[in-house]
Amino acid sequence: GAGVSQSPSNKVTEKGKDVELRCDPISGHTALYWYRQSLGQGLEFLIYFQGNSAPDKSGLPSDRFSAERTGGSVSTLTIQRTQQEDSAVYLCASSLASVGRPQHFGDGTRLSIL
Amino acid sequence: DQQVKQNSPSLSVQEGRISILNCDYTNSMFDYFLWYKKYPAEGPTFLISISSIKDKNEDGRFTVFLNKSAKHLSLHIVPSQPGDSAVYFCAASRNSGNTPLVFGKGTRLSVIA
Repeated sequence: GAGVSQSPSNKVTEKGKDVELRCDPISGHTALYWYRQSLGQGLEFLIYFQGNSAPDKSGLPSDRFSAERTGGSVSTLTIQRTQQEDSAVYLCASSLASVGRPQHFGDGTRLSIL
Repeated sequence: DQQVKQNSPSLSVQEGRISILNCDYTNSMFDYFLWYKKYPAEGPTFLISISSIKDKNEDGRFTVFLNKSAKHLSLHIVPSQPGDSAVYFCAASRNSGNTPLVFGKGTRLSVIA
């Protein structure tokens, strides 16, 4: 399809395990964002990639969280030693890096930590 | 410190009437504002945006109004339809949209037939 694709759609894991979440942005979009939505909350920014620039990691809640973007396209968000408070829906968005271009979101990965 | 606030968690409107969703912001550096619509188990869908150089933008049944002096924006949906029932998020950014979005907590709109 032409939209942002995220996998898996659901992930259940035990506390302490590592998880990897994947995002395929819209083709040609140079900007890629990760957000998360915890229960009853708005979307919270995590990390932002723009072209070949160093990523903006200012939203990452702890050093257990990391992300990479290979070849300027696919991105992987990794959470190490998961905790129960990491349970949330993790959303990826992409956009054209031009003035006034909206971000388009995938359907997210629902992460549940037991 | 919430920079984008949607003070109404929910709103119910009769089909055919106008829905008005409100949003306030505190950061005067925001210059680009967006509304997203979200259904359960789906990602947010972009609806409409407005730049701070404008005070109104219209797209079909959806109109967004921006009052910079009051740091307030609103989304009008006319006429409201049952398919409009969803959670609506207001979002804001700096640098004409080339920065991460700051979101409100959303307003759940129910359009009653």
